Amino acid sequence: EIVLTQSPATLSLSPGERATLSCRASHSVSSYLAWYQQKPGQAPRLLIYDASNRATGIPARFSGSGSGTDFTLTISSLEPEDSAVYYCQQRRSWPPLTFGGGTKVEIK
Amino acid sequence: EVQLLESGGGLVQPGGSLRLSCAASGFSFNNYPMNWVRQAPGKGLEWVSYINTAGTAMYYADSVKGRFTISRDNAMNSLYLQMDSLRDEDTAVYYCARHESGFDFWGQGVLVTVSS
Repeated sequence: EIVLTQSPATLSLSPGERATLSCRASHSVSSYLAWYQQKPGQAPRLLIYDASNRATGIPARFSGSGSGTDFTLTISSLEPEDSAVYYCQQRRSWPPLTFGGGTKVEIK
Repeated sequence: EVQLLESGGGLVQPGGSLRLSCAASGFSFNNYPMNWVRQAPGKGLEWVSYINTAGTAMYYADSVKGRFTISRDNAMNSLYLQMDSLRDEDTAVYYCARHESGFDFWGQGVLVTVSS
């Protein structure tokens, strides 16, 4: 099973600042990594697929990078509505499909 | 517009059974594999099960293998999850999710509570 480790657990930043979220895989997942955003009481929403491709309707301030075992989700300029928990997920080696533990982004 | 609508959740005693349904609309359901993903209260996301387009290949998380059964009815545009021998630790919001380079569309989720 591929284990995904996300860091930091919590990120507290001000509007307009840059957020950098990390996801590290226990084994290479090539580029088969996705990122999701989940706000309280809502279902997750796909942000990025295959490491760097924005899903339909996702603002350009969200970008993904990385390959192999190290990945980054960057929010270039935080908006208040970006307050959420962000999860990474791999589909390189499955079953099982696995998620990281999440990073909570708080807007000051 | 793609829509996924889960139903069938509720309160069940340990050892009991429940069947979840997911009604799909706004896309060609028979062209997409589907999944169930769950989230225990205050916890992260956990993949539960996958089914291919024809309903001939199914995979399960170890935590539910032998107790849960995923199925689909392409004529009815519906996905199902039969949950037997339920345990306290199965308490969660259950989401159905479309499988396409990740989980590209999700339902709103349905709460399953296992408690005596």
